[in-house]
Amino acid sequence: NAGVTQTPKFQVLKTGQSMTLQCAQDMNHEYMSWYRQDPGMGLRLIHYSVGAGITDQGEVPNGYNVSRSTTEDFPLRLLSAAPSQTSVYFCASSYSGTGENEQYFGPGTRLTVT
Amino acid sequence: GENVEQHPSTLSVQEGDSAVIKCTYSDSASNYFPWYKQELGKRPQLIIDIRSNVGEKKDQRIAVTLNKTAKHFSLHITETQPEDSAVYFCAASIMTKGTYKYIFGTGTRLKVLA
Repeated sequence: NAGVTQTPKFQVLKTGQSMTLQCAQDMNHEYMSWYRQDPGMGLRLIHYSVGAGITDQGEVPNGYNVSRSTTEDFPLRLLSAAPSQTSVYFCASSYSGTGENEQYFGPGTRLTVT
Repeated sequence: GENVEQHPSTLSVQEGDSAVIKCTYSDSASNYFPWYKQELGKRPQLIIDIRSNVGEKKDQRIAVTLNKTAKHFSLHITETQPEDSAVYFCAASIMTKGTYKYIFGTGTRLKVLA
């Protein structure tokens, strides 16, 4: 199993550009989530999904959209990139959304917005 | 609000000494408390977790204790080694709208001095 994969590894955007960060898992996990990591701020939840067709907002959802059309994929879309979205983005998955399962993290995407 | 507080933000110990990191959470319905270790440039990885029906769990040099009444849990690392140097994150599952999401603390940077 590849586990949780993310693409791209690095990305530089100009202010106002849009892009999609890809996340996929091959463990048949129901629960998937996106976090951003900024120095001193820990991992902050952006959006999460408890299954295909179901998504919900986390702590910092503004400026980001998600969809979950399949169990495997959970893309994160930046609609109009801003410098404040410069961060490292991690996707994670776990077996279910019952709140008692280990989350497996992807390798991360380092995004810079100029 | 839903939050997880983590202290201290940095911790330096001599090799062989013990290290303790503490977290408090706000949601009394939280039932799962994982700890993640993140080395520089890497993804977070689970090192130990505890569920709400258990007060303590140990895995070799690492232990976690949970006090549900006080809503706090702690990570204990004994006989620290240089390879324990990393950032450690606590997390708690928070129930919202009938499902769970995971909220992380802001992290503790542990330095083990040889």
